[in-house]
Amino acid sequence: DSGVTQTPKHLITATGQRVTLRCSPRSGDLSVYWYQQSLDQGLQFLIQYYNGEERAKGNILERFSAQQFPDLHSELNLSSLELGDSALYFCASSVDRVGVYGYTFGSGTRLTVV
Amino acid sequence: SQQGEEDPQALSIQEGENATMNCSYKTSINNLQWYRQNSGRGLVHLILIRSNEREKHSGRLRVTLDTSKKSSSLLITASRAADTASYFCATDFRENTGNQFYFGTGTSLTVIP
Repeated sequence: DSGVTQTPKHLITATGQRVTLRCSPRSGDLSVYWYQQSLDQGLQFLIQYYNGEERAKGNILERFSAQQFPDLHSELNLSSLELGDSALYFCASSVDRVGVYGYTFGSGTRLTVV
Repeated sequence: SQQGEEDPQALSIQEGENATMNCSYKTSINNLQWYRQNSGRGLVHLILIRSNEREKHSGRLRVTLDTSKKSSSLLITASRAADTASYFCATDFRENTGNQFYFGTGTSLTVIP
């Protein structure tokens, strides 16, 4: 157990639907990062939050949004889902805002859009 | 792309042999990290090397960094079947204000018992 908790582990939904992925960072970590991993795109950085505020954006689609709450857990919302959104979504956390000591990853949420 | 690139894409060796994976990147970095991912699982941080360091060791792992060539290598000595996994390098680029790490596409290592 890495200390980063992601729920749910698996999600199967239909195109056009909306889902919410949840992440609880490791205790004491203030930064949360979201990554998407698919076979053809590798591991893509989506977005980072630090202590409740958005810090950096990567290749995140406009249909996707995220937030970090006062208790530091984070949610990634995916809407108007398409088949190509099927992927593993990872959350990672770090104690600082730049991850200089490394990231701690959760076990991921496998999203399948049918 | 800002991602690093690992080479080879796939590597298969016998247990007990050494495994070497390489990572190349394009722009100046602050730090470079190596991660391991077992199939379908989360990534596990292995080692971080700063841009002013040339070599680091951790157990059976040895990482080198050559900033002049913009490349790094990960050496796993005396490999075990349990080392079978994908290995990723991650780099943070000085130009990124967020300093987030970008991951390469990974090397898939298979250690045959």
